Formats: sequence, C-alpha cells, structure tokens
Amino acid sequence: DTAVSQTPKYLVTQMGNDKSIKCEQNLGHDTMYWYKQDSKKFLKIMFSYNNKELIINETVPNRFSPKSPDKAHLNLHINSLELGDSAVYFCASSQVPLGADTQYFGPGTRLTVL
Amino acid sequence: GNSVTQMEGPVTLSEEAFLTINCTYTATGYPSLFWYVQYPGEGLQLLLKATKADDKGSNKGFEATYRKETTSFHLEKGSVQVSDSAVYFCALSDSLADSWGKLQFGAGTQVVVTP
Repeated sequence: DTAVSQTPKYLVTQMGNDKSIKCEQNLGHDTMYWYKQDSKKFLKIMFSYNNKELIINETVPNRFSPKSPDKAHLNLHINSLELGDSAVYFCASSQVPLGADTQYFGPGTRLTVL
Repeated sequence: GNSVTQMEGPVTLSEEAFLTINCTYTATGYPSLFWYVQYPGEGLQLLLKATKADDKGSNKGFEATYRKETTSFHLEKGSVQVSDSAVYFCALSDSLADSWGKLQFGAGTQVVVTP
C-alpha cells in the first residue's frame, strides 16, 4: 500500500545516455512534483503538474522533460546525461497545489552518471 | 525572494538530551511552515507543520511554533532517542496565488543521537 512509489531506486549510467524515472501515487492527489537533492542534501523543486498540466518549471535544462500521462503518474525523462545530473531525485504529491497542503514524498531514485 | 535558513549540522547528542534546531525564513506572502524528516536511505516525511502565525505544530514529541515577529520556526524535542537520528529540513510554502505549493527547503540539519 505504498503511497508514492518510484522506479528504479538506483540508476547508474554513462554520460550522454538517455534515462527515465517513473513515479506513481495511489493517494488520489491532483498534484505531483519532482525535486532534486544534491550531494550536500540540498533539495530544490524542478517541476510540478496539476491534473496533468505543468504549473511549475524551475529553469531546469531542456534535457529534462517531465510527462504526466494521468493524474497518478509523473515520469521524468533525461536526455544526454551529464556528470552534474548525479543526484537523488524525489517525486512527491499533494491533494492540491496550495501552500498549506502536505506533500508526500517517494523513496527517491539515486542517479549516478559516470 | 523566499528563503529558509537553518542551523548547520551535524548536531550530535546523547540519548534523552534536549534538541533544538533553529530555522528562520524570509517570505513575501503569508507562508505555511513545515518540518520534514529524512531517515537514512528513505524519502522525506512530514514531521509537523503550521499554517499561520502563533500556530504550534507537534508530532512524535517534536514541537515548533510559527513566530511571525521573529520569522522563525524552531524545532524542539525534550528527550531524543537514537531512532531520532536523521536529517531534518525546515521548509516554507508561500500563500501567493502563483506559488502553486512550491516548497522551499533549508539546507537540512543532520542529527546524530548516541546511546
């Protein structure tokens, strides 16, 4: 009965490759997010979708493309991977995109680019 | 712009000691304030939150009070356990219409509790 799940948990790949990370939530929430956590644990939002529509795009390189096929899924595709993309990527969801609403996080995907 | 500043770690304590993690913020609107906790190898989970001034959030023995006059949301626990060892993140989400629930995090404070 996992609330927010991500696959894969670990991803090791070479520079220049293209990879995807999948996220699913079974909470019935309307809003989903992607966050990046760097090696110093600093967390920064990348994207947010509400009802399958993009509402936040935090000046992330074009190589990153989120896709939301339905409200329960938000996938992250990364083209031409670079060393600096190595990080832990967290998916999250909330009922609505309001400031007071609690966000529920997935377990994270650790991406290592060699 | 909005920002969150929290004390640097690691904070190392003995079991049953008192824990305080300082957090201050700047925001243009009327933010909601959160403490999230990340246990080793896991994702973040909400510890507590407060949505308006003078609100106190509490959970699992942790407390934090939303102080608008000092723009602070310090986290406290009276008696920590080894199981409280984790990274703690202070975060805010602005009330402005175009903030869309965007969480802005502090840098995180690692807490290590020894037996």
